[in-house]
Amino acid sequence: DGGITQSPKYLFRKEGQNVTLSCEQNLNHDAMYWYRQDPGQGLRLIYYSQIVNDFQKGDIAEGYSVSREKKESFPLTVTSAQKNPTAFYLCASRQGVTEAFFGQGTRLTVV
Amino acid sequence: QKEVEQNSGPLSVPEGAIASLNCTYSDRVSQSFFWYRQYSGKSPELIMSIYSNGDKEDGRFTAQLNKASQYVSLLIRDSQPSDSATYLCAVHTGRRALTFGSGTRLQVQP
Repeated sequence: DGGITQSPKYLFRKEGQNVTLSCEQNLNHDAMYWYRQDPGQGLRLIYYSQIVNDFQKGDIAEGYSVSREKKESFPLTVTSAQKNPTAFYLCASRQGVTEAFFGQGTRLTVV
Repeated sequence: QKEVEQNSGPLSVPEGAIASLNCTYSDRVSQSFFWYRQYSGKSPELIMSIYSNGDKEDGRFTAQLNKASQYVSLLIRDSQPSDSATYLCAVHTGRRALTFGSGTRLQVQP
């Protein structure tokens, strides 16, 4: 089945630790996105990539980093510079100007 | 000004009524527009997409787009309690990203 897989579903981070969230898609989509969602809020754009080896900062990129070495994969690293990382993280992919397809999300908690 | 704006609600309607959800956007070159439904703790799922001015109907859902007014809406006819969720408006903007509004929470009262 085609789709987007995010892992892990739940992730716990200690203070000062970097963690990486995985996002893989087999839809052959060119564009991939990372969003952050806080309770009761909408989706805020962290980073997006239109093509392999290229990505752009979204609205809240500080404290995050990404890579796009393969078309299928767009991992997100939450660095220690992100002071309030507890949130629901959503990865999406799309082709052209059509709709985005979402993964099931990763819920990150600082402990 | 936010790129995509929605009233956060909650919007409360009785079962069987029409729910009307609204969204405005700031980027005049926006090309495509989407409505997603999101249940608590879940990822968004697509309800409707619309690309040109006018109305688009799919079952109980109608999306309306007015590019001159930079306005897109979603009507839900015969609202059901299972429609209770947060509805997110998304717009493909000039920077070639998909930007979301903050969402409108809909409550359908049995």
